[in-house]
Amino acid sequence: QSALTQPRSVSGSPGQSVTISCTGTSSDVGGYNYVSWYQQYPGTAPKLIIYDVTKRPSGVPDRFSGSKSGNTASLTISGLQADDEADYYCCSYAGSLYVFGTGTKVTVL
Amino acid sequence: EVQLVESGGGLVKPGGSLRLSCAASGLTLSNDWMSWVRQAPGKGLEWVGRIKSRTDGGTTDYIAPVQGRFTISRDDSKNTLYLQMNSLKTDDTAVYYCARVNSGRIDYWGQGTLVTVSS
Repeated sequence: QSALTQPRSVSGSPGQSVTISCTGTSSDVGGYNYVSWYQQYPGTAPKLIIYDVTKRPSGVPDRFSGSKSGNTASLTISGLQADDEADYYCCSYAGSLYVFGTGTKVTVL
Repeated sequence: EVQLVESGGGLVKPGGSLRLSCAASGLTLSNDWMSWVRQAPGKGLEWVGRIKSRTDGGTTDYIAPVQGRFTISRDDSKNTLYLQMNSLKTDDTAVYYCARVNSGRIDYWGQGTLVTVSS
C-alpha cells in the first residue's frame, strides 16, 4: 500500500485560504468515506481535525473543512492564522489497514 | 480523560528485539480497536498495525514491511497494549505512537516513544 500523495508544502498570508490535496486510489480514498486529517506540531503527537471526509471533532474551528472528489480528498484552512503553521497529514481506510499521506507543511507568511 | 502512555523505547542493535508498552486510562482497551503508528526522524506518519476489540475477534493486521516481525497484543487485566518488535532493522528507527482507532479515524494518541536501531 503506497502512501497517499500530498503537496510537500503550501503557504499563505494571514486571513487567506489554503487547500491541501490528498490523492489516492479507488482502493483507499475513492473507496471509502473514512478520510481523516491530522495536524502535527514539531515534537508533538498528531491531532485529529477532520474525520469521515467532512466532519470536525468538538473544539476544532470551522475554519477547517474537508471534502472529497473521486480519489482525491482535500483540506481547506480558511482565515489562515499564525498557529495554523504545522504539518498536516491525511489518512484513509484501505480495507483492513490504513494509509497516511506524505504530509504537507503549511507556512503562514 | 483518556491517556495513552507509551514506554519501552530505546537503542537496540540491528537484529535485536524490543517490546513497547502502552498503558491506557480513561478507556478500556479490550473494547476498542487500537493501532501503532510510527514516524521516522524528519519523515511522515506510517500506520504499522491494528488489533480489533475483543468483541470483534481481537485479530491483528500489519503493513507488509513489519509482517512476521512485529506482533500487537493486549493484556486486558493491565489495560495495556504491546508491540513486540523482532528482527529489527535500521529502517524501523522511529517514534512509535499508540493510538485508538474509532470508526475509521484515530481520535486519541499517546506521546510517543523513540526506538533507535543502530550498531
